[in-house]
Amino acid sequence: EPEVTQTPSHQVTQMGQEVILRCVPISNHLYFYWYRQILGQKVEFLVSFYNNEISEKSEIFDDQFSVERPDGSNFTLKIRSTKLEDSAMYFCASSTRLFYNSPLHFGNGTRLTVT
Amino acid sequence: SQELEQSPQSLIVQEGKNLTINCTSSKTLYGLYWYKQKYGEGLIFLMMLQKGGEEKSHEKITAKLDEKKQQSSLHITASQPSHAGIYLCGAAELPNAGNNRKLIWGLGTSLAVNP
Repeated sequence: EPEVTQTPSHQVTQMGQEVILRCVPISNHLYFYWYRQILGQKVEFLVSFYNNEISEKSEIFDDQFSVERPDGSNFTLKIRSTKLEDSAMYFCASSTRLFYNSPLHFGNGTRLTVT
Repeated sequence: SQELEQSPQSLIVQEGKNLTINCTSSKTLYGLYWYKQKYGEGLIFLMMLQKGGEEKSHEKITAKLDEKKQQSSLHITASQPSHAGIYLCGAAELPNAGNNRKLIWGLGTSLAVNP
């Protein structure tokens, strides 16, 4: 069964460094998302992406964050200058249709630790 | 904004027992999703409910959405150790001029099944 793959599975970085989290969505999916989960807290929406542009972003997704689909398969999340509070599990997801008509398929996540 | 509350927060059952997890919304749900998360891993899609009174089953798991679309339950029959994990409900907020493209989440119910 097709799946969403995320790399790396764990990333440790120093505060102020840039990180890029990578995702390969399911090949025929059109909608792409990033969510995050801080340890012990709820999963939070970051951004949705469709047709090569951001559809919606949350208040969390400030100027330090950016997303890109550089080619036909990868979908990346960049954090320009990481803060301690960015430490979380970051999940990439994709779907065939808009989220309320089609389930999101999630990757296994990247655990980001900012020291 | 809409909030999702799950109960119980954690559950320990003996193998073979039935159990129910609840997800309650402060507002009418537009779509309700159940996911399972194994510790440190991604979210695995279980079921999606959209209509009031809808009920879906997959293997030994049944999910229901009440008529008012404000509460959903997940019922596991004859639980097995493989059912252990964290069960999350996610919901689509009511569309707002077509621009609301995110899921909100409950905190999760941690299930342990003792053999």
